[in-house]
Amino acid sequence: EAGVTQFPSHSVIEKGQTVTLRCDPISGHDNLYWYRRVMGKEIKFLLHFVKESKQDESGMPNNRFLAERTGGTYSTLKVQPAELEDSGVYFCASSQLRGSTDTQYFGPGTRLTVL
Amino acid sequence: AQSVTQLGSHVSVSEGALVLLRCNYSSSVPPYLFWYVQYPNQGLQLLLKYTSAATLVKGINGFEAEFKKSETSFHLTKPSAHMSDAAEYFCAVRRNQFYFGTGTSLTVIP
Repeated sequence: EAGVTQFPSHSVIEKGQTVTLRCDPISGHDNLYWYRRVMGKEIKFLLHFVKESKQDESGMPNNRFLAERTGGTYSTLKVQPAELEDSGVYFCASSQLRGSTDTQYFGPGTRLTVL
Repeated sequence: AQSVTQLGSHVSVSEGALVLLRCNYSSSVPPYLFWYVQYPNQGLQLLLKYTSAATLVKGINGFEAEFKKSETSFHLTKPSAHMSDAAEYFCAVRRNQFYFGTGTSLTVIP
């Protein structure tokens, strides 16, 4: 069974540009999560999809970030325009259930560098 | 508010020695607690989780953690370190969402 995949693995862009990150969850997982880790800090929750609906987007930093999950399969996270403080590693995770003890399966992350 | 503190951003142990990675949490009610590991170029992988059953939780690869409510701790241990244990370890508490610690990078010295 394929795990959570993310594309690209690395992205280097200039301030003001747009970047789109993609996450493909494990097949059949309705729950999809985005997280971000700024260098040296903790991994922080960004948002949670259940199928194509945003269940919780309380962690989204600002309106420069837009997440979508059309059709309830893969998800994209767009940053427009990117700022220096957006640099970090963006993780995606998926789970089958929604309980607090349900295991989330993480992708390898996308390392975003904004210059 | 939830928070997780991992004491020591870098820990080095000799191969065969005890591994002890510390995690303290703050929570108004007993939380669900997790340890994840990240090997280079891979995603986070669940090591173990505490879900209010047994306070001593056994995980994969010989790791275990003990939930101590009086100390608000959930330290991760392994009796004998192996070279393959070198990775970054994250403690997390979950209520509605995950709250992660800052991670501890484990180096195993041959």
